[in-house]
Amino acid sequence: QKEVEQDPGPLSVPEGAIVSLNCTYSNSAFQYFMWYRQYSRKGPELLMYTYSSGNKEDGRFTAQVDKSSKYISLFIRDSQPSDSATYLCGGFSGGYQKVTFGTGTKLQVIP
Amino acid sequence: GAGVSQSPSNKVTEKGKDVELRCDPISGHTALYWYRQSLGQGLEFLIYFQGNSAPDKSGLPSDRFSAERTGGSVSTLTIQRTQQEDSAVYLCASSSGLAPDTQYFGPGTRLTVL
Repeated sequence: QKEVEQDPGPLSVPEGAIVSLNCTYSNSAFQYFMWYRQYSRKGPELLMYTYSSGNKEDGRFTAQVDKSSKYISLFIRDSQPSDSATYLCGGFSGGYQKVTFGTGTKLQVIP
Repeated sequence: GAGVSQSPSNKVTEKGKDVELRCDPISGHTALYWYRQSLGQGLEFLIYFQGNSAPDKSGLPSDRFSAERTGGSVSTLTIQRTQQEDSAVYLCASSSGLAPDTQYFGPGTRLTVL
């Protein structure tokens, strides 16, 4: 079993839709959770991160972590064609341990 | 400041040849990662360096793959006797190693094995 599991998609939605991207993880030591966005032919870039359980909002993006169920979510409101990318979730326990990513979910927002 | 750089940006090689891919991390970053991303596939972890600790090689797919990091800075990923299934984009990332350990990725090396 991989430490971080993520549906590879692709996920296609119409412009303006609310998008929900999800991951599960198995490592109970994870304290930090992050979402990276990767455009085609580019390296991934950090979108946002959260510490422990709870929600974090940044503009149209909301990251949610439920440590009791080991579930990580990213919600995108009013999705735009420019949001079309691959989204990677990750977990990190701290203490110079390595960050572990899921394989990524490809999102396409149709105009 | 300068980001993570990788060279070459593209590499075409013949099956059976050895290749070396280079990564220059951000100065001062103690952590360095190598990943592989095959066409249409997800991000696959290969190896992790942290400071002077022994590297985490748990993601290397076979003994044809090796990596080293000299002086805690530049890293080289070597693939011996390349196979067609090695064709992929090889990404390098560096980070401080401290929470939340934001990773900065390089642009990748696109390897094609003919």
